[in-house]
Amino acid sequence: GDSVTQMEGPVTLSEEAFLTINCTYTATGYPSLFWYVQYPGEGLQLLLKATKADDKGSNKGFEATYRKETTSFHLEKGSVQVSDSAVYFCALSAGSARQLTFGSGTQLTVLP
Amino acid sequence: NAGVTQTPKFQVLKTGQSMTLQCAQDMNHEYMSWYRQDPGMGLRLIHYSVGAGITDQGEVPNGYNVSRSTTEDFPLRLLSAAPSQTSVYFCATRAGTGYNEQFFGPGTRLTVL
Repeated sequence: GDSVTQMEGPVTLSEEAFLTINCTYTATGYPSLFWYVQYPGEGLQLLLKATKADDKGSNKGFEATYRKETTSFHLEKGSVQVSDSAVYFCALSAGSARQLTFGSGTQLTVLP
Repeated sequence: NAGVTQTPKFQVLKTGQSMTLQCAQDMNHEYMSWYRQDPGMGLRLIHYSVGAGITDQGEVPNGYNVSRSTTEDFPLRLLSAAPSQTSVYFCATRAGTGYNEQFFGPGTRLTVL
């Protein structure tokens, strides 16, 4: 079945540091790929998405590129802020019902 | 426009009790889903619905029932709660075929003693 493997955390960075959170996937067909963010005490919010190979999703300074050859969708940000502290989930959507399959989540803490 | 709402926000149950988690949406979305979130395991799909009157099982359906009598509501029923059902539950909606983005409710934190 479909699966998402995500870099384990927690990840602690200083403000303005470079962020990479690795994500690889296994899926049949051509999935859509997503990064969701969960701030403390809240539900998940869509951060960015990509629907086909070589697409780059971007939002709020975060970027991720759909790499079909390496089955990856790594999240990057050039300069993190304290307000980026949250849990980040990589996910894919595939199959006729297009339901989401999630990775285990990565807790990011950014220190001032 | 409230989006996706869930009630209650918190709940404590004793083993064997039953309860219903409510989910409502005002976006006229066809698809609705229930997920549970457990530490280190991400979110796992419990049940989903592709429209009123149509439901199907997800990855972890045992111990849960759903029904979808209206477009707006998608309640999740725990028939006989067990400590293994202690979790945070999220409801999500999606517009329909061809739409990828899912919108999540704020969650219900359930503890079963």
